Amino acid sequence: DAKTTQPPSMDCAEGRAANLPCNHSTISGNEYVYWYRQIHSQGPQYIIHGLKNNETNEMASLIITEDRKSSTLILPHATLRDTAVYYCIVSDRGSTLGRLYFGRGTQLTVWP
Amino acid sequence: ETGVTQSPTHLIKTRGQQVTLRCSSQSGHNTVSWYQQALGQGPQFIFQYYREEENGRGNFPPRFSGLQFPNYSSELNVNALELDDSALYLCASSWGGVATNYGYTFGSGTRLTVV
Repeated sequence: DAKTTQPPSMDCAEGRAANLPCNHSTISGNEYVYWYRQIHSQGPQYIIHGLKNNETNEMASLIITEDRKSSTLILPHATLRDTAVYYCIVSDRGSTLGRLYFGRGTQLTVWP
Repeated sequence: ETGVTQSPTHLIKTRGQQVTLRCSSQSGHNTVSWYQQALGQGPQFIFQYYREEENGRGNFPPRFSGLQFPNYSSELNVNALELDDSALYLCASSWGGVATNYGYTFGSGTRLTVV
């Protein structure tokens, strides 16, 4: 079962920052937070992951609270192509043997 | 570097038939995981193959089976198809049985419709 809670939908104006929240209150010490997104009719695409420190890459930033019970994915300048379902997943990189638990994710709609 | 490729892209089968879906993993990856995604749901883990052996399985019945070949490509076989097997089947590859620093690389999936 998914260990995360996300809002079912959000929207954002093009060019503005999109901030997608995720609650993972039962996360354990060796579990990472991963974010994937799925554009309609495609496979999920990896975005970013982190353990306890904030992370940034060319796609997004990930802010993890100090207690690690929640996180926020930030798309700094959303474009229409960022419209997708965004999944927040917690995963132990070792013992889960490749098992990612996807919930229903957040449908982000970016409007012009 | 090629990504994950799946074939066929779409398939229609009749209830009770058998189906084989194929996946070629990303170059350099030796682990393949399969997921089932019903309409409006997130992907659900079916199983993973690492070094040609099943390396973890989700809550799916034995009529879902798989193979991994020496070149790390993989097949998903489903016997005695049921209407509820209609879904998008996704293949994801990685290296070493765990997530790489770039997570898992997913293919675009095979859309299976059972009528």
